[in-house]
Amino acid sequence: SQTIHQWPATLVQPVGSPLSLECTVEGTSNPNLYWYRQAAGRGLQLLFYSVGIGQISSEVPQNLSASRPQDRQFILSSKKLLLSDSGFYLCAWSVVRGQETQYFGPGTRLLVL
Amino acid sequence: GQNIDQPTEMTATEGAIVQINCTYQTSGFNGLFWYQQHAGEAPTFLSYNVLDGLEEKGRFSSFLSRSKGYSYLLLKELQMKDSASYLCAVSVPGRGSTLGRLYFGRGTQLTVWP
Repeated sequence: SQTIHQWPATLVQPVGSPLSLECTVEGTSNPNLYWYRQAAGRGLQLLFYSVGIGQISSEVPQNLSASRPQDRQFILSSKKLLLSDSGFYLCAWSVVRGQETQYFGPGTRLLVL
Repeated sequence: GQNIDQPTEMTATEGAIVQINCTYQTSGFNGLFWYQQHAGEAPTFLSYNVLDGLEEKGRFSSFLSRSKGYSYLLLKELQMKDSASYLCAVSVPGRGSTLGRLYFGRGTQLTVWP
C-alpha cells in the first residue's frame, strides 16, 4: 500500500530564516506530487505540482520554491521566510489513472515569528 | 476563474442526517471530490463523482448534477466523530501538457452535538 510522509511535523522559525520541508511517497512509482498551503480559516491553496523528476510547475508567485530530486521526493524551500508564510503545509500525491484522486500527507505546521 | 461555494458552518445532532451542499463554476470538469478534515489533521478522501447521480458508501453518499453545477454530501446516522470540516473539490482538466488540478472550496465545518 502507498504511504506518504512529511517532516517535520511542526516548525517555528524566525522571519528571514530559510525553510526546507520534505515529502516522500512509498509504494508507488512516478506519482504526481503537490504542495498545498492552508492558512487559518482559509481553503487549500495549491503552491506547486510536479509530474516527474525535475519538472516543477508553480501556481502562485511567492518566495517559495520546490524541487523534485528523486521520483518520490518533493521538497519545499524558502531562502527567507515571511510572516505570511505561516500555515499548514500539505503534500499530496496522485496517480494518473483516470480518477486522479489526491491523497494527502500528515502535514507540517509552520509558524513564522 | 474557478468558483467553489459551500456553507461555512453547519450543526446537527447525533443520529440525525445532514446534507452539505456545494455549487461550482469552473472552466472545465473532470469530477468532483469530497474530503473530510478533522482539526489539525490532513484531509482524507471520502468520495468521487464524475457522472450525474448518487454514489453511496456506507453512511456517506454524494450526489452530482453536472448541468446544475451542484453536488451534495449526505451523512446519515451522525456520530460525534463526524464533527470535522468537509471540503468540496472540483477537478479541472489541464490545457495541452499541463496537469489537471483540484480547486477546493473553503470547507464546511460540521459540529455534531450529543
